[in-house]
Amino acid sequence: TQLLEQSPQFLSIQEGENLTVYCNSSSVFSSLQWYRQEPGEGPVLLVTVVTGGEVKKLKRLTFQFGDARKDSSLHITAAQPGDTGLYLCAGNFGNEKLTFGTGTRLTIIP
Amino acid sequence: KAGVTQTPRYLIKTRGQQVTLSCSPISGHRSVSWYQQTPGQGLQFLFEYFSETQRNKGNFPGRFSGRQFSNSRSEMNVSTLELGDSALYLCASSLGTLPTGELFFGEGSRLTVL
Repeated sequence: TQLLEQSPQFLSIQEGENLTVYCNSSSVFSSLQWYRQEPGEGPVLLVTVVTGGEVKKLKRLTFQFGDARKDSSLHITAAQPGDTGLYLCAGNFGNEKLTFGTGTRLTIIP
Repeated sequence: KAGVTQTPRYLIKTRGQQVTLSCSPISGHRSVSWYQQTPGQGLQFLFEYFSETQRNKGNFPGRFSGRQFSNSRSEMNVSTLELGDSALYLCASSLGTLPTGELFFGEGSRLTVL
């Protein structure tokens, strides 16, 4: 059974600060996605990464896929209250399923 | 275009009852997958349907079942409800089958079992 570990589980920071959250596995990902889920809503896709070492940017969000494709990070610059939510990584391990991590619950304090 | 619609949004059942949840995918999407989300276990895959056929199933007991209709709408059923079945049930639709493509999630059906 492939497991995805996300850290930290909870993170609360002040508006304007930077932060990084992590997604790790003991197995190699074929691809990995990051989602954000806001209260009362379903997750929304932020990015998909497939190539080891790949870096993608989405405004103030920077996503990195590890060279060995076993880990990924999400870095947010100058966090804003609108970034508050549950951040989920979802990995594919070469089968026909997506395995989700348990998430990082991020709170940005104005 | 209209998003993924799940009904009902909230429901309360008692142990031993059964429940049916409905999911209407985005028009043109033929894949529907279902997930259970709980604080302790996170988001866990239940099953995926494509063109009325179940393609894959997660590690859930046989009390959890589903189906897909010719218009791609999907239902999931949980029989003999247990307290531990209390969760947010999410469905997602996509153009292609898992794991490729973007998943579009509904807002979920929150089930409370008393």
